[in-house]
Amino acid sequence: DGGITQSPKYLFRKEGQNVTLSCEQNLNHDAMYWYRQDPGQGLRLIYYSQIVNDFQKGDIAEGYSVSREKKESFPLTVTSAQKNPTAFYLCASSIVADSYEQYFGPGTRLTVT
Amino acid sequence: DQQVKQNSPSLSVQEGRISILNCDYTNSMFDYFLWYKKYPAEGPTFLISISSIKDKNEDGRFTVFLNKSAKHLSLHIVPSQPGDSAVYFCAARGNFGNEKLTFGTGTRLTIIP
Repeated sequence: DGGITQSPKYLFRKEGQNVTLSCEQNLNHDAMYWYRQDPGQGLRLIYYSQIVNDFQKGDIAEGYSVSREKKESFPLTVTSAQKNPTAFYLCASSIVADSYEQYFGPGTRLTVT
Repeated sequence: DQQVKQNSPSLSVQEGRISILNCDYTNSMFDYFLWYKKYPAEGPTFLISISSIKDKNEDGRFTVFLNKSAKHLSLHIVPSQPGDSAVYFCAARGNFGNEKLTFGTGTRLTIIP
């Protein structure tokens, strides 16, 4: 079964701790993305990667970091510098960077207290 | 600045009737417009797209209309079915160097049996 997996589904952390969200895809897609969804807001782009070992900041990259060492994996670290980390995080991939059809994972809900 | 806007947070429609979801945008450089559908606790899934050079695209029960002069697009679902109950996101793809997607805030559609 091809798809995108995100783990865990729910994540709880104390304020001041860094936390890494996992995203894996077996679709052989070149491009991967991280979005954040907050109530009443659309999906906002955090980081994206067009190919392995390359990534660019999206619209709200401050307080986040990513890596793309393997084609299948695009982990997102929410650092203690992120002022409002509690949110629903969605990972997506697309065949190539300019494809408008993105495939999304089920998301991770992060709660920081 | 919200470049893609969905002004109706929710919409209720009787089963069998037409559902019309609306979306406005401000940037004339967008080259593709998309609709994504999202069920609770799942990631969004691609539904239908339209190129900026077209004014209509149809796929089964789903039709998207684009009015470039008004910078407005709409999604028509006919006939509406209970399984259509979901959050619908309008999105637009940029044509200015990085083809990332900009999402609207979503409209929750409820189909009443």
